[in-house]
Amino acid sequence: SQQGEEDPQALSIQEGENATMNCSYKTSINNLQWYRQNSGRGLVHLILIRSNEREKHSGRLRVTLDTSKKSSSLLITASRAADTASYFCATDDGNAGNMLTFGGGTRLMVKP
Amino acid sequence: ETGVTQSPTHLIKTRGQQVTLRCSSQSGHNTVSWYQQALGQGPQFIFQYYREEENGRGNFPPRFSGLQFPNYSSELNVNALELDDSALYLCASSLGGRGAETQYFGPGTRLLVL
Repeated sequence: SQQGEEDPQALSIQEGENATMNCSYKTSINNLQWYRQNSGRGLVHLILIRSNEREKHSGRLRVTLDTSKKSSSLLITASRAADTASYFCATDDGNAGNMLTFGGGTRLMVKP
Repeated sequence: ETGVTQSPTHLIKTRGQQVTLRCSSQSGHNTVSWYQQALGQGPQFIFQYYREEENGRGNFPPRFSGLQFPNYSSELNVNALELDDSALYLCASSLGGRGAETQYFGPGTRLLVL
């Protein structure tokens, strides 16, 4: 089963615009991570935010976490055509191992 | 490039056959996790190995089994293949433990079961 649900499922924007993706999850977590996947290949880790953090930045990425609402958002500012990919949130509940539970993903298309 | 490699890149099998997929973890990582990703969906956790022992398992039947070797590389074996096993199989390595939760994914093996 999938813990997280991303919203929207698909997003199409123009280059230079901002892209916002949302993720909701069901159980308590140790941390939440965002990954990117190009064309059905391997996932690339973008950012990790711990349960005691509310906001984190990395370059053009901004992630927020609201544990009371069990939700997170990923903002990509000044998007580029190269940002076209699928983006997944994944939760780590801190139990045995660092098992990640992924959502269904948001497919982002950035038009040049 | 994450330093995690998987082989083969693509594989075609017929229903009922058995398959072995391989993963070499990033240097220094002692934990390997396997995920199945069906087309258009997010990855689903299969199991994790830590220092050669299974350290957690998702909702997959026993015909999905694995191994981790002393050099921390890993194998995923699937017996009695079914059509629904067609998917991208991803392995990820990590150091494990608090402060080292980031997982580094390989490029995946795409399995087609006919």
